[in-house]
Amino acid sequence: KQEVTQIPAALSVPEGENLVLNCSFTDSAIYNLQWFRQDPGKGLTSLLLIQSSQREQTSGRLNASLDKSSGRSTLYIAASQPGDSATYLCAAQGGSEKLVFGKGTKLTVNP
Amino acid sequence: SAVISQKPSRDICQRGTSLTIQCQVDSQVTMMFWYRQQPGQSLTLIATANQGSEATYESGFVIDKFPISRPNLTFSTLTVSNMSPEDSSIYLCSALPIAGGNIQYFGAGTRLSVL
Repeated sequence: KQEVTQIPAALSVPEGENLVLNCSFTDSAIYNLQWFRQDPGKGLTSLLLIQSSQREQTSGRLNASLDKSSGRSTLYIAASQPGDSATYLCAAQGGSEKLVFGKGTKLTVNP
Repeated sequence: SAVISQKPSRDICQRGTSLTIQCQVDSQVTMMFWYRQQPGQSLTLIATANQGSEATYESGFVIDKFPISRPNLTFSTLTVSNMSPEDSSIYLCSALPIAGGNIQYFGAGTRLSVL
């Protein structure tokens, strides 16, 4: 049974800082790894999707990496801004298209 | 991409009653899912809503408690039946667009409080 863990549970940083969020999964037989952002009252927004054959994906200030063999993924946020404050969730997708989520990292970027 | 409208956005209900949550997608999708997010917890898949057939439930979730309908390719409902305070959660629907590249799109969620 797939289990996804995210560390840290919460993170508070000053504006402008670069930061890394961590995600680990127990079953390396994944189809892809997805990072989402959750804002209160606004559901989830997909940020990046890394296929199992890929090592990383980039979108703007965000870069996500995937190491299947070690069961790890990281989300790197460059030059953080107050608008980045949200809860970040990673989810592992198996062949059935079901997503298994971690509990998330609550990020606060202070002006 | 897909835009998912979910309603109600929140509700406060009495113990023993039922609530039906609606999920409408603005384009045809292959699969629709229902998740529950309990306070401080991760999202947990309740079931996959199958078009024209019975939903596929995950371990720990049963049809009598969470009946699901999906009458067409763009609409689904989840009912939370005979509610108790333990059902207080955020319920989210998601969908996989036909041409979406495996990215799941989510509704804004329904925040349910049961008294």
